[in-house]
Amino acid sequence: LAKTTQPISMDSYEGQEVNITCSHNNIATNDYITWYQQFPSQGPRFIIQGYKTKVTNEVASLFIPADRKSSTLSLPRVSLSDTAVYYCLFLHGSGNTGKLIFGQGTTLQVKP
Amino acid sequence: ETGVTQSPTHLIKTRGQQVTLRCSSQSGHNTVSWYQQALGQGPQFIFQYYREEENGRGNFPPRFSGLQFPNYSSELNVNALELDDSALYLCASSVAGAGEGETQYFGPGTRLLVL
Repeated sequence: LAKTTQPISMDSYEGQEVNITCSHNNIATNDYITWYQQFPSQGPRFIIQGYKTKVTNEVASLFIPADRKSSTLSLPRVSLSDTAVYYCLFLHGSGNTGKLIFGQGTTLQVKP
Repeated sequence: ETGVTQSPTHLIKTRGQQVTLRCSSQSGHNTVSWYQQALGQGPQFIFQYYREEENGRGNFPPRFSGLQFPNYSSELNVNALELDDSALYLCASSVAGAGEGETQYFGPGTRLLVL
């Protein structure tokens, strides 16, 4: 299965925009890029998912270049409550509901 | 809130015992996946159930087993508990064949401690 690589940790300050980049050199044609957020002792929370170009929702934006070998999660104007672990994952396309392979994730620390 | 519920929230067992964890999927979801998350690690896939049958399994021994019921709820059973089974157990529900990626929505988890 394809593997993702993302920074282990990042620091930011309240009000700043945070960009977390994930590398996935061997992504498959039918893989969707998915990001989850997880707080301690809670289940991962779905943030955003995309296949190519740019996807935006009320929480974040996801930028995926044409070669799809990387993706960037953008969190606008973070607050202290955005301190969490962020996971970049693949989700196989329709007809093949499969397992999510979690890495270590990126621990984001937002400071006042 | 995802609509995925799990019970119990916390559980303490001793080594060698058996445990059953339960998960109710989000309304309209027909697939349930189970994950184990050790402290400080990302979740690891245990197995997935679709239409009451196992539909994929991770690197977990046979003492980890599961069931899915006609209402799509699910159980995870672990026999002969070991100390290393102490973890947060997560279930996630999704809709098979939904198209455009079948997003999995997680429940709050069950914290299992094996003494």
